[in-house]
Amino acid sequence: KAGVTQTPRYLIKTRGQQVTLSCSPISGHRSVSWYQQTPGQGLQFLFEYFSETQRNKGNFPGRFSGRQFSNSRSEMNVSTLELGDSALYLCASSIRQGLNTEAFFGQGTRLTVV
Amino acid sequence: GESVGLHLPTLSVQEGDNSIINCAYSNSASDYFIWYKQESGKGPQFIIDIRSNMDKRQGQRVTVLLNKTVKHLSLQIAATQPGDSAVYFCAEMPTGNQFYFGTGTSLTVIP
Repeated sequence: KAGVTQTPRYLIKTRGQQVTLSCSPISGHRSVSWYQQTPGQGLQFLFEYFSETQRNKGNFPGRFSGRQFSNSRSEMNVSTLELGDSALYLCASSIRQGLNTEAFFGQGTRLTVV
Repeated sequence: GESVGLHLPTLSVQEGDNSIINCAYSNSASDYFIWYKQESGKGPQFIIDIRSNMDKRQGQRVTVLLNKTVKHLSLQIAATQPGDSAVYFCAEMPTGNQFYFGTGTSLTVIP
């Protein structure tokens, strides 16, 4: 079974530009969550999508948005990029197994804003 | 927001020794916890989980202990190996499908 796939792996953008990141979850997983990881900050929750609907949202500005398609693939968009948006963006797909929810992460997209 | 913190940002252990990584969480309503391992250049990898109705769970070479009274979680790695060198995160799930992660502990295994 293929794991979570994120594309691209690396990206360099200029301040003010916008960027779209893609995540393909594990087959059968309907929940996709996005996280931002910066040095010393750990993983900060961005949002979660389930069945094409945003189900949870973290404390990020409206420049960060996402969507999910009918095949569960998800995209994350960041508009008007700022230097502080440089980070590793991780996508996790999950499925509820009984009472537990195992979340599996992709390799991440390393975004550098210059 | 939620607060999940780690007592030690770095930990160095001798190969073959046992490692203990600690984590404090703030939300007493959290009922599900996961430990993740993240190696350089990779995404976090699931290690072991535990629900709040348990105080201990064992996996292969790893044990997670949960103390709900003091809201403390620990990960014990037996016979630590060089391949265990990584950053370890604890995560709690208070509600829904949203995890809150700590800042991580960097484990270095000395051969």
